[in-house]
Amino acid sequence: GENVGLHLPTLSVQEGDNSIINCAYSNSASDYFIWYKQESGKGPQFIIDIRSNMDKRQGQRVTVLLNKTVKHLSLQIAATQPGDSAVYFCAEIHYNTDKLIFGTGTRLQVFP
Amino acid sequence: ETGVTQSPTHLIKTRGQQVTLRCSSQSGHNTVSWYQQALGQGPQFIFQYYREEENGRGNFPPRFSGLQFPNYSSELNVNALELDDSALYLCASSLGLAGIEETQYFGPGTRLLVL
Repeated sequence: GENVGLHLPTLSVQEGDNSIINCAYSNSASDYFIWYKQESGKGPQFIIDIRSNMDKRQGQRVTVLLNKTVKHLSLQIAATQPGDSAVYFCAEIHYNTDKLIFGTGTRLQVFP
Repeated sequence: ETGVTQSPTHLIKTRGQQVTLRCSSQSGHNTVSWYQQALGQGPQFIFQYYREEENGRGNFPPRFSGLQFPNYSSELNVNALELDDSALYLCASSLGLAGIEETQYFGPGTRLLVL
């Protein structure tokens, strides 16, 4: 399938530190990438997006970096807070399709 | 809150039964997409509806079907349930055809358990 593994990779960070979550995407023709945050018992929540003609985009406390050469996407969260604890997914869309292809996901744990 | 609601929140069925899951999109959103999320995995695209017609389908068998209604509500129907259908089912709505720069807003999901 498009997702593998039952055990999500986990990133543990101390409150106040910066977090970097990485994602390798699958389709070199994908045009649009999105990061979603999913808290326990909730649906995915949009965080930030980036088009393939960009390599960096900043939001409030978050930055997304796109490296098309190696098909790599990262999400940087500045001054990580306990409320940032969640599972983070990257997703890609190719402009010829309308479906989101989600990555495996990374669990972010923030400790005091 | 995304303005997208789903019902029921939890559901238990037995193998071979049929189930209908419901979604209410944001008002004005013409597109609804359905996803299946197995435990510990990312959501997988089932299909999408635009203005009441199917507009794309993932790798799911025909026993997964859907309907979209003019009042921004939609249904996911699954026939002949199998144990592997146990998952969180998510719907997501967007203003137009989801794709470039069309943000999809997800509901909280329906947790289905098949025994």
